[in-house]
Amino acid sequence: EPEVTQTPSHQVTQMGQEVILRCVPISNHLYFYWYRQILGQKVEFLVSFYNNEISEKSEIFDDQFSVERPDGSNFTLKIRSTKLEDSAMYFCASSQDSALRNSPLHFGNGTRLTVT
Amino acid sequence: KQEVTQIPAALSVPEGENLVLNCSFTDSAIYNLQWFRQDPGKGLTSLLLIQSSQREQTSGRLNASLDKSSGRSTLYIAASQPGDSATYLCAVKEYGNKLVFGAGTILRVKS
Repeated sequence: EPEVTQTPSHQVTQMGQEVILRCVPISNHLYFYWYRQILGQKVEFLVSFYNNEISEKSEIFDDQFSVERPDGSNFTLKIRSTKLEDSAMYFCASSQDSALRNSPLHFGNGTRLTVT
Repeated sequence: KQEVTQIPAALSVPEGENLVLNCSFTDSAIYNLQWFRQDPGKGLTSLLLIQSSQREQTSGRLNASLDKSSGRSTLYIAASQPGDSATYLCAVKEYGNKLVFGAGTILRVKS
């Protein structure tokens, strides 16, 4: 069964550094998402992406965050200048055509980001 | 603002028991509700998706119901097994693209 893959599985970075989290969504999916889960807290929506642009973002997704689909297969999340509170598990997800609003989201295994 | 609550927060049962996990949401304007399973340190695995027009969905030993007007869903697991031990998350899809998650129910099935 096709799956969403994320790399790296664990990333350690120093405060103030830039990080890029990478995802390969399922190949025939057109909607892409990033969610995060701070340890012990709920999974939170960050951003959705469709047709090469952001379709929705949360208040968490401020100017420090950006997303990109650089080559038609990868989907990346960049954090420009990491803060301690950015430490979390970051999940990438994808789903089929937006017209099928009831298509399920498929999640990757996540990247654990630790900011020291 | 949509709030999703799951009860109980944790549940420990002996193998073979049937069990019910509960999910409630404050705003009934949803497209669908999804139940996920999360194993420690892993991603989220979609178990069942119920559209807003549906009342229930079944997959194997799992049955999920939805009462949209009262803002409630239940996940019924029949004949529980140790391999069912995981965190079960409920999420609603609002008019837009985002899922709003509950905090989850941590299930432990003892052999």
